[in-house]
Amino acid sequence: KNEVEQSPQNLTAQEGEFITINCSYSVGISALHWLQQHPGGGIVSLFMLSSGKKKHGRLIATINIQEKHSSLHITASHPRDSAVYICAVPSNYGGATNKLIFGTGTLLAVQP
Amino acid sequence: NAGVMQNPRHLVRRRGQEARLRCSPMKGHSHVYWYRQLPEEGLKFMVYLQKENIIDESGMPKERFSAEFPKEGPSILRIQQVVRGDSAAYFCASSPLGSTGELFFGEGSRLTVL
Repeated sequence: KNEVEQSPQNLTAQEGEFITINCSYSVGISALHWLQQHPGGGIVSLFMLSSGKKKHGRLIATINIQEKHSSLHITASHPRDSAVYICAVPSNYGGATNKLIFGTGTLLAVQP
Repeated sequence: NAGVMQNPRHLVRRRGQEARLRCSPMKGHSHVYWYRQLPEEGLKFMVYLQKENIIDESGMPKERFSAEFPKEGPSILRIQQVVRGDSAAYFCASSPLGSTGELFFGEGSRLTVL
C-alpha cells in the first residue's frame, strides 16, 4: 500500500515569495494529484500529472517518477493563495488511480 | 456546464438518526467517488461507484454506511443510526474516464451529529 508524505506541514510566506511544497510516496504510481482546499471550503483539483511538469498560471507542478517525488511551486505568491495544498496518489500500483490516498496537507498562509 | 453538486452543504443530525448525502456528478460523468474528511484528519477514500454498480467499497465502514448510484438521479451516501464519530466533511468527486480520469470535486457536505 502506498504511503504519502508532504512537507512542510505549515508554511508562512510574504506576498510575492516563491513557494515550494513537496510530496513523496512509496509505491510506483501512474498519476499524482495536487489539490487545493480553502478553510471550510470545497476541494479544487489543481493538477493530475504522470511525468515531467505542468503549469497553470502561477502554479507549477513537477514529478520525478524514479525518485517518487513531486513538487508544487507557486510563483509571486498572493494572500488569496492561502489554503491547504494536498498531494494524493493511487493506493496501490496498477489499481484504480482515483482510489486515492492523501497526504496530510500543507497549510499555506501568505501574508500581505 | 455545472460542476459536481452536493447537497445538503450542511446537515445536523441527532444520534440515532439517518443522514442522506447526495451527489450529482458533472454532466457526462458516470464515475463517482466518495471521500471523508474527519476533523483534524486527512481525506480518506470511501467508495467508488459507476451507474448502478459499486466498484470498490473497501473504504466504507462495515456497518451503517451504504452508497448507491442509480441509473437515474444522484449518487447517495446513506448513514444509518449516526454517531458523533460520523461528524465529518463528505466529499464527492466525479470523473469522465473512470479510474484513470481527472477528478472534479464537489463543495462537500458537512455532517454534524449532536
